Amino acid sequence: GESVGLHLPTLSVQEGDNSIINCAYSNSASDYFIWYKQESGKGPQFIIDIRSNMDKRQGQRVTVLLNKTVKHLSLQIAATQPGDSAVYFCAELLISNFGNEKLTFGTGTRLTIIP
Amino acid sequence: DAGVIQSPRHEVTEMGQEVTLRCKPISGHDYLFWYRQTMMRGLELLIYFNNNVPIDDSGMPEDRFSAKMPNASFSTLKIQPSEPRDSAVYFCASSFPGLPNEQFFGPGTRLTVL
Repeated sequence: GESVGLHLPTLSVQEGDNSIINCAYSNSASDYFIWYKQESGKGPQFIIDIRSNMDKRQGQRVTVLLNKTVKHLSLQIAATQPGDSAVYFCAELLISNFGNEKLTFGTGTRLTIIP
Repeated sequence: DAGVIQSPRHEVTEMGQEVTLRCKPISGHDYLFWYRQTMMRGLELLIYFNNNVPIDDSGMPEDRFSAKMPNASFSTLKIQPSEPRDSAVYFCASSFPGLPNEQFFGPGTRLTVL
């Protein structure tokens, strides 16, 4: 069936360096792709999203890239800080013709920032 | 704004007991979602409501699970009877009208069924 998955379960990055977290998806009909951050003991937190008709979107220190040709999504975090250490989930939102809006989460990547 | 409020934060119960998890969404949000998170299965959508009406409950594992939203500021997720495999962190989330992609999550309820 359709699924969202991540290439790397863990990633360690030196503080101040840039990090890239990758995600593969299989449902080309998804309307939005979203990144969430989950810190230990907390619920996921929305970071940034991108519509399926876009290929790049930038936020504060974060950039999401969407490559629909290879069904690949990435999150780039610039100048990483210790507070960026968390598990990052990609998710896809599919809006059906009946108005059903379902968010499906990937398995997550643990990002560790090394001081 | 207090954010999404969930109670209790931790629940330990014995197999066969009834468990009720509670959620208060952010005021003005018309979507409410219940998720379950485990190491094995990750974050799974159980059910979601729009304007207090259940829209998609296809993620509810079985008849032992039920969810209600009697008004715009309160929802419950009930498990009866509970089983050890129900042990997980249960999250409630809410979102603004027209923005189901930007969900605000509560702190979660960690449920342990012995």
